[in-house]
Amino acid sequence: DQQVKQNSPSLSVQEGRISILNCDYTNSMFDYFLWYKKYPAEGPTFLISISSIKDKNEDGRFTVFLNKSAKHLSLHIVPSQPGDSAVYFCAASNGGSQGNLIFGKGTKLSVKP
Amino acid sequence: KAGVTQTPRYLIKTRGQQVTLSCSPISGHRSVSWYQQTPGQGLQFLFEYFSETQRNKGNFPGRFSGRQFSNSRSEMNVSTLELGDSALYLCASSPLGLAAYNEQFFGPGTRLTVL
Repeated sequence: DQQVKQNSPSLSVQEGRISILNCDYTNSMFDYFLWYKKYPAEGPTFLISISSIKDKNEDGRFTVFLNKSAKHLSLHIVPSQPGDSAVYFCAASNGGSQGNLIFGKGTKLSVKP
Repeated sequence: KAGVTQTPRYLIKTRGQQVTLSCSPISGHRSVSWYQQTPGQGLQFLFEYFSETQRNKGNFPGRFSGRQFSNSRSEMNVSTLELGDSALYLCASSPLGLAAYNEQFFGPGTRLTVL
């Protein structure tokens, strides 16, 4: 049973436009969410996180939105750049009592020049 | 500050053998977690060590074990290797672990191939 789902395996966006990556979760006990970016043959790189007490967190071109009632979060990249092309993983944790991350299966983002 | 390092980067073993992977966390980080990444299952949590003690464990058989040393370096051992153990094994470190809402920093991984 997948607790964290990224329903779009891939996404293609034109350079300069907005990329929106979506993630749904089923466990209402999750209270800490993270996005990671991964290039082939490298480990995931932390991008941005959000705790359940917030509904938005911004860091430069990256913004994460959290909708707790819908159990949904999204990552917005504006403007998208070709260097953003990678696999993006959404991850969730119940930080208070659980010290592991539950990952989605990833969305491969391709940003075309 | 140096990042998380993992050795070796690539490993080829045969069924039935055992293997030990090593992870050196970022200096000052006391939590080390291990993950397995496969095409079918994605990234799955194996276990977390903090101050030389296993703090959390995922849903993997007892053939997968680990330990952490006093300098926070960690090793993961897989005994009686099976073909399905072929995967990218990732190590991640953080100052105090996810229980303290710290993000985890990943190493480049060890690619294990079991023939």
